[in-house]
Amino acid sequence: GAGVSQSPSNKVTEKGKDVELRCDPISGHTALYWYRQSLGQGLEFLIYFQGNSAPDKSGLPSDRFSAERTGGSVSTLTIQRTQQEDSAVYLCASSLGVGYNSPLHFGNGTRLTVT
Amino acid sequence: AQSVTQLDSQVPVFEEAPVELRCNYSSSVSVYLFWYVQYPNQGLQLLLKYLSGSTLVKGINGFEAEFNKSQTSFHLRKPSVHISDTAEYFCAVSDQSGGFKTIFGAGTRLFVKA
Repeated sequence: GAGVSQSPSNKVTEKGKDVELRCDPISGHTALYWYRQSLGQGLEFLIYFQGNSAPDKSGLPSDRFSAERTGGSVSTLTIQRTQQEDSAVYLCASSLGVGYNSPLHFGNGTRLTVT
Repeated sequence: AQSVTQLDSQVPVFEEAPVELRCNYSSSVSVYLFWYVQYPNQGLQLLLKYLSGSTLVKGINGFEAEFNKSQTSFHLRKPSVHISDTAEYFCAVSDQSGGFKTIFGAGTRLFVKA
């Protein structure tokens, strides 16, 4: 079946603009995660959803970052007033549920470049 | 709160040699441990996982990892590597204190030379 789909695959934006990144999880997966991957920094946890609610937003770097999920499916990550340090690959993952027996299935990511 | 430390950022190794990628975690409760692999220009995929039971876990492509609770380690090993194993490897932990969210280490880049 279809995997996790992210769009766009690449996004170049000017500093100060807003961007919206989209994630389509695997059908039936109730948990959805956003991570940020910067060169040499590994995967930085941003936020996760269980259904439409986000129990843990502790990883969002600033109040310029927000995310929502509707219908227990598609999620969007919005970055307002982008800064150059926001440049990174943003990865989305989904799993059957939040728990130990639910490994993550990752999308190919959105590469964001802020000029 | 849980955390993961991967002690080596890069590991160069010759083809057919053994390799060990080190991972240490910090958690105050029972943990669930994972290794993910990211091949060049591909997404991350699960390599293996430890949930409970036997401390030696076998994964895909001949990799295995051993959970050591006293040393809070989950090192990844392969007895003989191939060129195709060149990739970035991420250790990850999930536990109840963190609401079962999965936290990743910084990654280890394995470079296999001919």
